[in-house]
Amino acid sequence: GQNIDQPTEMTATEGAIVQINCTYQTSGFNGLFWYQQHAGEAPTFLSYNVLDGLEEKGRFSSFLSRSKGYSYLLLKELQMKDSASYLCAVRVDDYKLSFGAGTTVTVRA
Amino acid sequence: DADVTQTPRNRITKTGKRIMLECSQTKGHDRMYWYRQDPGLGLRLIYYSFDVKDINKGEISDGYSVSRQAQAKFSLSLESAIPNQTALYFCATSQGPGNEQFFGPGTRLTVL
Repeated sequence: GQNIDQPTEMTATEGAIVQINCTYQTSGFNGLFWYQQHAGEAPTFLSYNVLDGLEEKGRFSSFLSRSKGYSYLLLKELQMKDSASYLCAVRVDDYKLSFGAGTTVTVRA
Repeated sequence: DADVTQTPRNRITKTGKRIMLECSQTKGHDRMYWYRQDPGLGLRLIYYSFDVKDINKGEISDGYSVSRQAQAKFSLSLESAIPNQTALYFCATSQGPGNEQFFGPGTRLTVL
């Protein structure tokens, strides 16, 4: 089976930085995705890492270490609209994504 | 941007009823997927299809069936709904291997 772990909840203050960790043990690895999901809405794509290192995209950055089975999503200059669930997903072969349960981030004023 | 649409958006039904959830896409993607989402469990794959003639079971296909009527349409059926099929259902699409999946708005299904 696939095992993808991420914290259930995190709280941070507007303007701050939050780091969401994801560890994985999967039968295969062909890349790692991060999705954002607002309550009651569809997940939307944030980032994709297939090689080790940091990918930066505006206020959001994602890091991958394949040898450690570890990734993180870094959210900088937090805004109220960043309150959402963040889903870590590993592509275990050319079609299948295995998702973690998601991390709910609450941004407080 | 309604590239992936799902109908209905909400449905309440009774145990034993047959239910069909529909998904349409205008992205021209070849691959389509059905997931269910339950609190604390994340998204789980029910079925996926690489093209009209290629349909495959995911990790939780029991109690579900699908039909790929055209490249743009992928339907999910519950032949005899039961209460533990109460969940949020998402359709997704992608183009070829390795690319990100685009999700529809979801269908909230309640089985009483």
